[in-house]
Amino acid sequence: QQQVKQSPQSLIVQKGGISIINCAYENTAFDYFPWYQQFPGKGPALLIAIRPDVSEKKEGRFTISFNKSAKQFSLHIMDSQPGDSATYFCAARQRGTASKLTFGTGTRLQVTL
Amino acid sequence: DADVTQTPRNRITKTGKRIMLECSQTKGHDRMYWYRQDPGLGLRLIYYSFDVKDINKGEISDGYSVSRQAQAKFSLSLESAIPNQTALYFCATSDQTREFGELFFGEGSRLTVL
Repeated sequence: QQQVKQSPQSLIVQKGGISIINCAYENTAFDYFPWYQQFPGKGPALLIAIRPDVSEKKEGRFTISFNKSAKQFSLHIMDSQPGDSATYFCAARQRGTASKLTFGTGTRLQVTL
Repeated sequence: DADVTQTPRNRITKTGKRIMLECSQTKGHDRMYWYRQDPGLGLRLIYYSFDVKDINKGEISDGYSVSRQAQAKFSLSLESAIPNQTALYFCATSDQTREFGELFFGEGSRLTVL
């Protein structure tokens, strides 16, 4: 059973457009929600993260929107660039489990010229 | 040099063979993890270790074993490899002093079991 459901599986966006990736969870004990970015041939790397006591976090062109009541969170990439083409994973951490994360299934983003 | 180094990067083996994937890190982190990545399934935790004497099963530990030889070294073994263990394997570390510790991943070991 997938504890963190991620959609879409793949996404094609034109340069300058907005990329939106969504995740949903059921476990109310999750207390930390990071997003990881993975380029081909590389390991994932932390992109941005949020805790459920805030509804939005922005870092440059990347924004996480968090809806605690709906148990959903999403990644928005503004002004998408070809260099953003990568696979994106949402994740969640259960309270009290240190850095043991449950990952979503991943979204392959392609930004076209 | 990479902070988290995995060897080998690529390996092709046959069903029934014993395989070891090795991970070493220079980040000084106590916590180390092994994840498996499959298309459409994301990253799934196999085993994790919070210090040299601590080994814990993750969500998909069957068919795998691990050894924490030192703070900086964490190896994953497949005692008798089977084709459905064909996957991309990642080692990761995190800082024990941070409650919401970022995971630092190696570049992966691609394993093919024929």
